Amino acid sequence: EPEVTQTPSHQVTQMGQEVILRCVPISNHLYFYWYRQILGQKVEFLVSFYNNEISEKSEIFDDQFSVERPDGSNFTLKIRSTKLEDSAMYFCASSEFYGFTGNTIYFGEGSWLTVV
Amino acid sequence: GENVEQHPSTLSVQEGDSAVIKCTYSDSASNYFPWYKQELGKRPQLIIDIRSNVGEKKDQRIAVTLNKTAKHFSLHITETQPEDSAVYFCAASLLGGNKLVFGAGTILRVKS
Repeated sequence: EPEVTQTPSHQVTQMGQEVILRCVPISNHLYFYWYRQILGQKVEFLVSFYNNEISEKSEIFDDQFSVERPDGSNFTLKIRSTKLEDSAMYFCASSEFYGFTGNTIYFGEGSWLTVV
Repeated sequence: GENVEQHPSTLSVQEGDSAVIKCTYSDSASNYFPWYKQELGKRPQLIIDIRSNVGEKKDQRIAVTLNKTAKHFSLHITETQPEDSAVYFCAASLLGGNKLVFGAGTILRVKS
């Protein structure tokens, strides 16, 4: 079964540094997402992306964050000037369709970010 | 915006018993309600979903019911097994979009 893949699985970074989390969505999917889960808390929506632009973002997704699809397969999340509170599991996800009836969203294994 | 409440936060059942987890949502426009199972350190995995045009859906030992009038939906697991132990999240999706709003999760422990 096709899967969303993410790298790295775990990254430790110094406060103030920039990190890039990478994702390869399922190949025939057109809609991509980033979600975040702080340890012990619920999964939170960050951003959705379609046709090379952001379609929706949450209040968490401020100027510190950016997303990009640099080529035909990768989808990245960049976090600038990391803060301690950015420590979380970041999940990439993708779906085939987007619209009225909803559609299955498939999650990757996650990238665990630790800011020290 | 949408808000999803989930209860209980923890649930312990004996192997073979049934488990029920309940969620309520606030936005009557939501029309897609998936349930995800998350094992420790793993990705959320979709186990069942329901759309607003049906009231119940079943897949083997798992069923979901939806009451749109009351704005609540429930996950039912019958004949629980130790491998059902995990965190279960409900979610709701708003009309016209795929942004999932998650509940806080339920830790299910199945004791053998």
